[in-house]
Amino acid sequence: AIQMTQSPSSLSASVGDRVTITCRASQGIRNDLSWYQQKPGKAPKVLIYAASSLQSGVPSRFSGSAFGTDFTLTIAGLQPEDFATYYCLQDYSYPWTFGQGTKVEIK
Amino acid sequence: EVQLVESGGGLVQPGRSLRLSCVVSGINFPDSAMHWVRQAPGKGLEWVSCINWNSNSIGYADSVKGRFTISRDNARNSLYLQMNSLRPEDTALYYCARWLAGLDSWGRGTLVTVSS
Repeated sequence: AIQMTQSPSSLSASVGDRVTITCRASQGIRNDLSWYQQKPGKAPKVLIYAASSLQSGVPSRFSGSAFGTDFTLTIAGLQPEDFATYYCLQDYSYPWTFGQGTKVEIK
Repeated sequence: EVQLVESGGGLVQPGRSLRLSCVVSGINFPDSAMHWVRQAPGKGLEWVSCINWNSNSIGYADSVKGRFTISRDNARNSLYLQMNSLRPEDTALYYCARWLAGLDSWGRGTLVTVSS
């Protein structure tokens, strides 16, 4: 199975900060990766699909990029509603696999 | 309005079986690839299984392969997960989700607790 190594596992940031979260795949997955935001007690919400495509309705401060097997989610100008846990998901091959998650907390 | 409503969760003893259901409305279910994702209490997301629109393509996580079976009934707009030989580590909130541009629609989940 493809392993998705997500880092960091947690981070503290302030409103307005630029935040970067990374997922590294254990093998090539083309651009078959999506990013999710989950708030406590809620179902996840897709932010980015196909590595860099912004889901409809998601603010443009969220962006995704890819370089080889490294994938990055960037939040440009953190907002109070962005404090949550973020996950990547590879959909290149079965079994699909999520990263371990990154909890973004208020500094 | 898109709605995915899971049901069938509960408390079950190790080794027993449970069948989860997910009824979908507000989307074209027969054309949709559908997934199950679970989340153990306080833990991260784990992809469980998926099925394409005509049931010709099915995938499972290694942790459930051979014990869980995914199926769908397009006439009933329903997705199912038959879970056999349940283990304590299967305890989780089980979500159904639709794949289109990512997993873009989710239910609220149904809780499965495996304990004696």
